[in-house]
Amino acid sequence: DIVMTQGALPNPVPSGESASITCQSSKSLLYSDGKTYLNWYLQRPGQSPQLLIYWMSTRASGVSDRFSGSGSGTDFTLKISRVEAEDVGVYYCQQFLEFPRTFGGGTKLELK
Amino acid sequence: VQLVESGGGLVQPGKSLKLSCSASGFTFSSYGMHWIRQAPGKGLDWVAYISSSSGTVYADAVKGRFTISRDNAKSTLYLQLNSLKSEDTAIYYCARGGIPLFDYWGQGVMVTVSS
Repeated sequence: DIVMTQGALPNPVPSGESASITCQSSKSLLYSDGKTYLNWYLQRPGQSPQLLIYWMSTRASGVSDRFSGSGSGTDFTLKISRVEAEDVGVYYCQQFLEFPRTFGGGTKLELK
Repeated sequence: VQLVESGGGLVQPGKSLKLSCSASGFTFSSYGMHWIRQAPGKGLDWVAYISSSSGTVYADAVKGRFTISRDNAKSTLYLQLNSLKSEDTAIYYCARGGIPLFDYWGQGVMVTVSS
């Protein structure tokens, strides 16, 4: 199975500052079609997860341009610019290159 | 697009339960569908997948105990949970497949396995 490992944030993050969340995969998620099979999700307190980013760097419909994804085949970053109260929650990376679809352990963002 | 789970509850170890996920707002028969669970206070754990043509894939932890199925005429996804264990206690979410993956999730249904 592909193991997804997420880094921690230096919480709390001051409102208006930027935050970067890292994720590492145990296998390259870059496929021969040139796409990287990585998604990012946000789970706000008490809610279902919400898709933020797919194909490593494509924002999902309706997602603020304050969210951006980048990376290589195995190392990925989700950057949140100008952090706001609505950004609070747990962020998950997830690979969809292979079954089982595996998630990172989650990174909690708290606001100062 | 709306996904609404039902069928959760409290069940004793070794017993069975069947979850449903009613879909609306899209052509259900054209999409693969997934079940994902989240134990209390823990992260997300993928459980099972069914393709639009009803091919299935399971996580090792549930293989042989859980069965995913679908009824396209009713736009409904199912998860049959047998031989339940305490470690199956979780919120169970259904989510839409396709690209982008998991673009829509249900609100989740709680399954508690306890004597």
